[in-house]
Amino acid sequence: NAGVTQTPKFRILKIGQSMTLQCTQDMNHNYMYWYRQDPGMGLKLIYYSVGAGITDKGEVPNGYNVSRSTTEDFPLRLELAAPSQTSVYFCASSSSGGFRGSYEQYFGPGTRLTVT
Amino acid sequence: DQQVKQNSPSLSVQEGRISILNCDYTNSMFDYFLWYKKYPAEGPTFLISISSIKDKNEDGRFTVFLNKSAKHLSLHIVPSQPGDSAVYFCAASGGLISGNTPLVFGKGTRLSVIA
Repeated sequence: NAGVTQTPKFRILKIGQSMTLQCTQDMNHNYMYWYRQDPGMGLKLIYYSVGAGITDKGEVPNGYNVSRSTTEDFPLRLELAAPSQTSVYFCASSSSGGFRGSYEQYFGPGTRLTVT
Repeated sequence: DQQVKQNSPSLSVQEGRISILNCDYTNSMFDYFLWYKKYPAEGPTFLISISSIKDKNEDGRFTVFLNKSAKHLSLHIVPSQPGDSAVYFCAASGGLISGNTPLVFGKGTRLSVIA
């Protein structure tokens, strides 16, 4: 199992450019998440998905879009990059959980994005 | 408004001693708590969790204590090892009642274990 994989590892964008951050998991998890981590801060939730075709906003969704067409993939789209989107982006996934289930989230290695 | 607070940005501990990392939360709907460990240039990895029906959970050198009345939890690492040097994040969820809900993370505490 590769777990959660993210591409690219690093990217530099110019203001106004767009890009898609890729995320794939091979654990057959229903739940997937996108977080951003700014320096000295915790992880903030951007968007999440509870299954294919279902997505919802997190704490900081502005400037981003997501789609979930398959269980495995959860890409994050930046349409008009701004310097405020300079951050490290983490994708994560988890199983359905339940009262005695586990709510562990498994994280990818992150994408470091710089917008100049 | 921070719902999960880790008030110590950093902590230094001698190898072999106990490390105690603290976390406070404000939302009384949280009923499941997790600790994650993060090395530089890697994603966070799950360390240990505790549900609100318990006040202690132990896994090897790691123990998490939960004080619901004080809305406080702590992670104890005994004995501390140099490989434990990392950033530790506390996270909380309303999962037990609400199902699998997104986690709310604290800002993290950087632990340095000195040999």
